[in-house]
Amino acid sequence: QSVLTQPPSASGPPGQRVTISCSGSSSNIGSNTVNWYQQLPGTAPKLLIYSNNQRPSGVPDRFSGSKSGTSASLAISGLQSADEADYFCAAWDDSLNGLYVFGTGTKVTVL
Amino acid sequence: QVQLVQSGAEVKKPGASVKVSCKASGYTFTSYDYDINWVRQATGQGLEMVGWMNPNSGNTAYAQRFQGRVTMTTNTSISTAYMELRSLRSEDTAVYYCARSDGQNIDFGMDVWGQGTTVTVSS
Repeated sequence: QSVLTQPPSASGPPGQRVTISCSGSSSNIGSNTVNWYQQLPGTAPKLLIYSNNQRPSGVPDRFSGSKSGTSASLAISGLQSADEADYFCAAWDDSLNGLYVFGTGTKVTVL
Repeated sequence: QVQLVQSGAEVKKPGASVKVSCKASGYTFTSYDYDINWVRQATGQGLEMVGWMNPNSGNTAYAQRFQGRVTMTTNTSISTAYMELRSLRSEDTAVYYCARSDGQNIDFGMDVWGQGTTVTVSS
């Protein structure tokens, strides 16, 4: 059961910029930082962005994150075919026994 | 390198139990810093949090919908975490992932994931 809301799909031609939104509430995004995960077909999720806008080592700077209030966004610039994947946002939720909650997921298609 | 390696696929009948393992390597499993989270994903669906456990303290937290049906444990001598789910039903059919997170800083997210274990519940 997803607590954070994302658009089901996003797309663009190679080289374009794509933005994915993630909407939550005061108990999760409004109180805590947001992480983003990339899931390539048939593989486990991979941490893409942590603490709203930080990239783990090895993640290209084409990926960027931001947060404002109870919403967050992931931007992919210079879209590449390798970016075709599912993307999930996540945040700690203070109201749920102390657990992370995930977004509904967005499928990014490169046209 | 830091790795989480999970046990193989399982097929269970409704009402049965399943126990999935997750073996850690490349870091100190009992470091107070690290939690092991369990996340599941039904085919074509999103990610769903099952719960987490800290191997050092033994503290656990389970998602409300799994309370009473799930137990998370560890065997620190072999750096392995376990998730047992009981009274299985068809809706529990999913890929179950273990993932490491920093228990001292929730900002860091889940930085290492296992390869996933497919659990199929079918009569």
